[in-house]
Formats: sequence, structure tokens, C-alpha cells
Amino acid sequence: AQSVTQPDIHITVSEGASLELRCNYSYGATPYLFWYVQSPGQGLQLLLKYFSGDTLVQGIKGFEAEFKRSQSSFNLRKPSVHWSDAAEYFCAVGARGNKLVFGAGTILRVKS
Amino acid sequence: GAVVSQHPSRVICKSGTSVKIECRSLDFQATTMFWYRQFPKQSLMLMATSNEGSKATYEQGVEKDKFLINHASLTLSTLTVTSAHPEDSSFYICSVDRGGETQYFGPGTRLLVL
Repeated sequence: AQSVTQPDIHITVSEGASLELRCNYSYGATPYLFWYVQSPGQGLQLLLKYFSGDTLVQGIKGFEAEFKRSQSSFNLRKPSVHWSDAAEYFCAVGARGNKLVFGAGTILRVKS
Repeated sequence: GAVVSQHPSRVICKSGTSVKIECRSLDFQATTMFWYRQFPKQSLMLMATSNEGSKATYEQGVEKDKFLINHASLTLSTLTVTSAHPEDSSFYICSVDRGGETQYFGPGTRLLVL
């Protein structure tokens, strides 16, 4: 069965510091992988996605993620965090029937 | 992307009443939409897949008679929570499947059942 693990429930970084959010997945075939961001009380916004090809994908708001098949990982990175990046981040894997299986989410706090 | 709206954004109702939530795809004709539920401090859980012109497909453990889904057009899917109870209080989010690859989400509906 498909599953997604986000090991960090909360992460706090200083504004301007770099960020890496971890995501590990379990899936029997080549996965479709996604990162979404959710601000409090809001829906989800797509940051980036990986289907195939270049394993380093660029997304919106300066985010990028790297697919590593050998580690079953799809970690999200940003070189310099802004206060407006504070939100909850969800990693998801696309499963059969185009369903999405989400991780538990990581709450990012940014301190000034 | 795709522009998805939901109405209402929040609703408060009495226990035992029914509540209808609308999900609209504003710029894309969607044959498939999804309904998720998110409890506080938890992740999204898929409730059902809404297919235009046919019956919805429910995930295991989701009562189809309690959560009625209608997808009568390519731009509108509705979720009706029938005989709502306090334990149904949650954040309900829909998404549009665009091209069978990527889902775009609505802003969500906060339901509070008193």
C-alpha cells in the first residue's frame, strides 16, 4: 500500500536560513510526487510536482525538491526562508485512480 | 493550474440537520473531483471520488448514505452531510483532477455542528 512519511511534525527556522523538509514514500511503481502548502484555514496550494525526468524539480516561491529513488525520498528545500513561508507543508504520492495519499504534514515556523 | 471554489467557506448547523457544500471548477471541465476531510492538526483523508454522470466511489469506512455526493455537471460537485452530528465537524476540501495527473484544491469549508 502507498504511504508517505514526514518525520518532522514541527520545524522552526530563522528568517533567511535554509530549509529542508523531509518526505519518504512507499509505492510499488514509479511514483508521482507532490508538495502542497496550506496556510491556516485555507485550502492547499501546489508547490511542485515530480512525474519523471530531471530528479531536481523547481516550484513556485523559490522551492525545489529532489527525487531520490534509492532513498525513496522527495525532500523539499528552499535556500532562504521568508516569514511568509510559515505554513503547513504536505508531501503526497499519487496512487491508483489518481488518488493522493498525504503525509501527516510539517508545520514550519519562521522566527525573525 | 485550475481555479476551484467552495461554498460556503464556513457553516454552523444544529445536530440532525443536513448541510450541502458546493465545489466548483471555474476554469476547467472536470470529470473527476475528490472530497477530503481534515480534522484539526491532522492530514487530509480522502473520502470519495466524484465522477461526473455516475455514482461516487467512497473510501473504506466512509458512509455513502451519510455523505451524499452529486456530480451533475463538469463544473460542479456537491457534498451533502446528512443528519450531521458534532463528530462530523471538520474541514472539508475538494479538489479537481486536471488531466489525470495533478489535483488542484479548493479553499475548504469549515463545518461546525452544534
